[in-house]
Amino acid sequence: QSVLTQPPSVSGAPGQGVTISCTGSSSNIGAGSDVHWYQHFPGTAPKVLIYGNSHRPSGVPDRFSGSKSGTSASLAISGLQAEDEADYYCQSYDRSLSCWLFGGGTKLTVL
Amino acid sequence: EVQLLESGGGLVQPGGSLRLSCAASGFSFNRYWIHWVRQVPGKGLLWVSRINSDGTITTYADSAKGRFTISRDNAKNTVYLEMNSLRAEDTAVYYCTRPVNPSGYNDDWFEPWGQGTLVTVSS
Repeated sequence: QSVLTQPPSVSGAPGQGVTISCTGSSSNIGAGSDVHWYQHFPGTAPKVLIYGNSHRPSGVPDRFSGSKSGTSASLAISGLQAEDEADYYCQSYDRSLSCWLFGGGTKLTVL
Repeated sequence: EVQLLESGGGLVQPGGSLRLSCAASGFSFNRYWIHWVRQVPGKGLLWVSRINSDGTITTYADSAKGRFTISRDNAKNTVYLEMNSLRAEDTAVYYCTRPVNPSGYNDDWFEPWGQGTLVTVSS
């Protein structure tokens, strides 16, 4: 069981927006650890989508945005496109467990 | 191009052993920590282990302690994960990845990742 909690699935129609939550605790997100988000197409290498809570690597569309508050973080995707259909994972460092944590993953379906 | 390529996965019986390899290219391999992360089919990602740039510091998840050993050969730009006493629950795709910076800062994100290698533990 993942210590970072994500909804198993979200869906939205093309052009709409969705938000994926990532809930942690006082030993990881709440302790000030950064949250990073990855996009993963099955069978391929995961790729960072958002780093340091809210920063986008070059090449990532500004339709993707990240935020963090308290013990939670969120990934927002606006203007959904068919190619956004993938699995999304949050990641943070746990200062009590001294290990890197990932969320259980959220499968995005574009209707 | 910065690349990581895993190999060595396969089918192994419960209690058996397997050694995974992670071959790196396109960057100064001997400056970076390398991590292993696994994904059980249909489940999320789980951090497994890491090794520092010269191989003198290793860290393991509780699920790997005492059974898995991470090592590296900087002359070959390769990291290894020796897995012993394998269990059905170790069945997963194993990825190697690298913190974006060589400092080993805990808050760094991982980039790039390899494509993964599938380990199946079954009789």
